[in-house]
Amino acid sequence: DAGVIQSPRHEVTEMGQEVTLRCKPISGHNSLFWYRQTMMRGLELLIYFNNNVPIDDSGMPEDRFSAKMPNASFSTLKIQPSEPRDSAVYFCASRDRADGYTFGSGTRLTVV
Amino acid sequence: AQTVTQSQPEMSVQEAETVTLSCTYDTSESDYYLFWYKQPPSRQMILVIRQEAYKQQNATENRFSVNFQKAAKSFSLKISDSQLGDAAMYFCAYRSLGANSKLTFGKGITLSVRP
Repeated sequence: DAGVIQSPRHEVTEMGQEVTLRCKPISGHNSLFWYRQTMMRGLELLIYFNNNVPIDDSGMPEDRFSAKMPNASFSTLKIQPSEPRDSAVYFCASRDRADGYTFGSGTRLTVV
Repeated sequence: AQTVTQSQPEMSVQEAETVTLSCTYDTSESDYYLFWYKQPPSRQMILVIRQEAYKQQNATENRFSVNFQKAAKSFSLKISDSQLGDAAMYFCAYRSLGANSKLTFGKGITLSVRP
């Protein structure tokens, strides 16, 4: 198994541009989580899905952020328009039925 | 809401020595899970150890062990015989039981290992 796959690994974009982060969870895992990591705030949960359904999006900072999970093997996190304060490492994680979490390698986003 | 506190931002240990990383949490639940994750410079989040709150016995994984004090809501990680490869950020995390529960992390501690 290749683990949780995130793309891109690095993204540099200009303020105001749309950014889309992608995640492929481990096959058979039924929960998917998006986290954001910054020096100031640590690891924050943005949103998570169970069986492709969003369960809790209270961590999404504002309307500029949206996440989708159209099927069990793919999820996206979109920021539009992006701002410099969105610069962070974004992690995707999936969880199996035995409560084992696996994290992706993260996407480092820099908004200039 | 549950909170996880790691009050030490940084620690340093001499190679081959023992170090303890502190973590406290706040919850009104009686049963839950606690975790320690390691994040090396590669950014990968690696599970180090896991503790179920209903188990009184402290979890151990080779050189890693925990001191779980449920009444005090304390969950510290002890690393014995520290190695250079142990240098990383370490995160303490909490999770409730239930299918819709989520991992809540502390802010992490940066551990350096002196050769």
